[in-house]
Amino acid sequence: EAEVAQSPRYKITEKSQAVAFWCDPISGHATLYWYRQILGQGPELLVQFQDESVVDDSQLPKDRFSAERLKGVDSTLKIQPAELGDSAMYLCASSPGRGGEFFGPGTRLTVL
Amino acid sequence: TQLLEQSPQFLSIQEGENLTVYCNSSSVFSSLQWYRQEPGEGPVLLVTVVTGGEVKKLKRLTFQFGDARKDSSLHITAAQPGDTGLYLCAGLINAGGTSYGKLTFGQGTILTVHP
Repeated sequence: EAEVAQSPRYKITEKSQAVAFWCDPISGHATLYWYRQILGQGPELLVQFQDESVVDDSQLPKDRFSAERLKGVDSTLKIQPAELGDSAMYLCASSPGRGGEFFGPGTRLTVL
Repeated sequence: TQLLEQSPQFLSIQEGENLTVYCNSSSVFSSLQWYRQEPGEGPVLLVTVVTGGEVKKLKRLTFQFGDARKDSSLHITAAQPGDTGLYLCAGLINAGGTSYGKLTFGQGTILTVHP
């Protein structure tokens, strides 16, 4: 069964350092999402891609966060510099279109 | 302002009891999804409802989409300890003239089922 892949699963870094997360969506899924989730709460959308284009990054803190999906397949989310408040689970999801997003296992980020 | 209000936020029950989780909004959704998430893992899609008034059953779980496509409920019959987890509803609003939409999540319901 096809799955969304994410790496790393866990990342510990010190504040002011740079971190990067990678996501490989399910093959053929044109829509890719990056979410941030605080423990026990619902995910919050950071950025949404349709193919290689960003269609929604209104909640992305652009002074320190960046995301790209250059060939419309896999994607990278970067944080530079990381801050203590960035500690969270970062989830990637993909969708073939209308309804039903499929999530990866997430990357648990801890900023010390 | 939360687009999707999910309630209750916490639910602690005994094995065998029934429960219902609600998801309400003032917005109309093209579809609504329910997810279950375990600690340290990503959400797993349980069901997608599309049609107003639609009812879907998945073993002991019953999902209903409101007639106006603004609200939904998840009912679990005879809950078991294995049902413990974070339940999330998410509504999809399609961007006009496009094939994709924006998914907005509720705050989640943390369910604990005690043996």
